[in-house]
Amino acid sequence: EDQVTQSPEALRLQEGESSSLNCSYTVSGLRGLFWYRQDPGKGPEFLFTLYSAGEEKEKERLKATLTKKESFLHITAPKPEDSATYLCAVQPRAGFGDSGGGADGLTFGKGTHLIIQP
Amino acid sequence: KAGVTQTPRYLIKTRGQQVTLSCSPISGHRSVSWYQQTPGQGLQFLFEYFSETQRNKGNFPGRFSGRQFSNSRSEMNVSTLELGDSALYLCASSQTHWRVDTQYFGPGTRLTVL
Repeated sequence: EDQVTQSPEALRLQEGESSSLNCSYTVSGLRGLFWYRQDPGKGPEFLFTLYSAGEEKEKERLKATLTKKESFLHITAPKPEDSATYLCAVQPRAGFGDSGGGADGLTFGKGTHLIIQP
Repeated sequence: KAGVTQTPRYLIKTRGQQVTLSCSPISGHRSVSWYQQTPGQGLQFLFEYFSETQRNKGNFPGRFSGRQFSNSRSEMNVSTLELGDSALYLCASSQTHWRVDTQYFGPGTRLTVL
């Protein structure tokens, strides 16, 4: 069974204090790993897609990295507006009802609730 | 380009009733996936539709069903509502089912079952 575990569950940082969020996964045939940000009462907002070990992507103060067993979301010099829940998701190989190698549904972790204090 | 839209945004129902939620994908996107989000279980995959066919299904009872129309819009239906069905229901669209595509989420429908 595919599993995604995120740590820590919650993290409180001072503005400017850099840190990393962890996403550990076990999946049969990883097709892609996704990072989303979710604000209260809203749908997840897409941040990054990573496809293979060693890949890195950056956007403003965020940098995502991927190994064969985990992904990290590094936050450099965060600001209060970076406060949100950060979700990690994996897309495994095709499952039920699909004979053509198409994509399966995303399996999400429970998220890391990040608070940046001014 | 307009994002994923979901209607209604909020719903209150009582046990035993049924409910229909609607999702309009991003223009040009043909795959629509549905997810349930609760505080205890987090985000869980319900099902995916592409070209009006259900392509994948998560581990939910048969009370949860869906369909997709020729314009890629999708609906999901929950029959015989239970208290535990109270959740945020999220719809996500992507361009196709046949490769790893980013899924873009709508704002969700908040369902409360009393």
